Amino acid sequence: LAKTTQPISMDSYEGQEVNITCSHNNIATNDYITWYQQFPSQGPRFIIQGYKTKVTNEVASLFIPADRKSSTLSLPRVSLSDTAVYYCLVGDGSNDYKLSFGAGTTVTVRA
Amino acid sequence: DTEVTQTPKHLVMGMTNKKSLKCEQHMGHRAMYWYKQKAKKPPELMFVYSYEKLSINESVPSRFSPECPNSSLLNLHLHALQPEDSALYLCASSQGPRDDEQFFGPGTRLTVL
Repeated sequence: LAKTTQPISMDSYEGQEVNITCSHNNIATNDYITWYQQFPSQGPRFIIQGYKTKVTNEVASLFIPADRKSSTLSLPRVSLSDTAVYYCLVGDGSNDYKLSFGAGTTVTVRA
Repeated sequence: DTEVTQTPKHLVMGMTNKKSLKCEQHMGHRAMYWYKQKAKKPPELMFVYSYEKLSINESVPSRFSPECPNSSLLNLHLHALQPEDSALYLCASSQGPRDDEQFFGPGTRLTVL
């Protein structure tokens, strides 16, 4: 089963770039890598998804090396409102509907 | 409408009570999910319905009983719960399989006394 490993926490300051790296050594060939953001007492929210190389949207970039054993979520110029838990997910087993959340990274942005 | 709604927002119940959690989406999604989240832990998958049929049951105790009356509604019936079942219960939906974006509701905060 694919499993993800992320840092437990990261601190940053407003305006800085935050990079969170996730390890997924056993990722399956057909699995995508997906990141979600969660604020306290709210449901997680989709941020970005990729399969290989680089994906960018209006809120983040996702960098995936050729071996796909890790990925890095990049949050440019963070603000206080980016303080949240960030989860890296890959598929879990052969079931098409099963996703497993990793432990998550708590990002704290300070003024 | 990209919203998943959950009711109630908060629920307090005794161990002998029977209650139900409700989830609704109107995005035409064919997959709906129940997750359980304890404090400072990631969400844990409980059940998945695909095209209104139970697709995944993650060995959840029978005191939790899911139901999918139609493609827009998902219920979680609760009976004889234990205090350790207190958690945030999240509902989600997606258009298709796991690689499709899951839209989460705000959750129901359940306390079992």
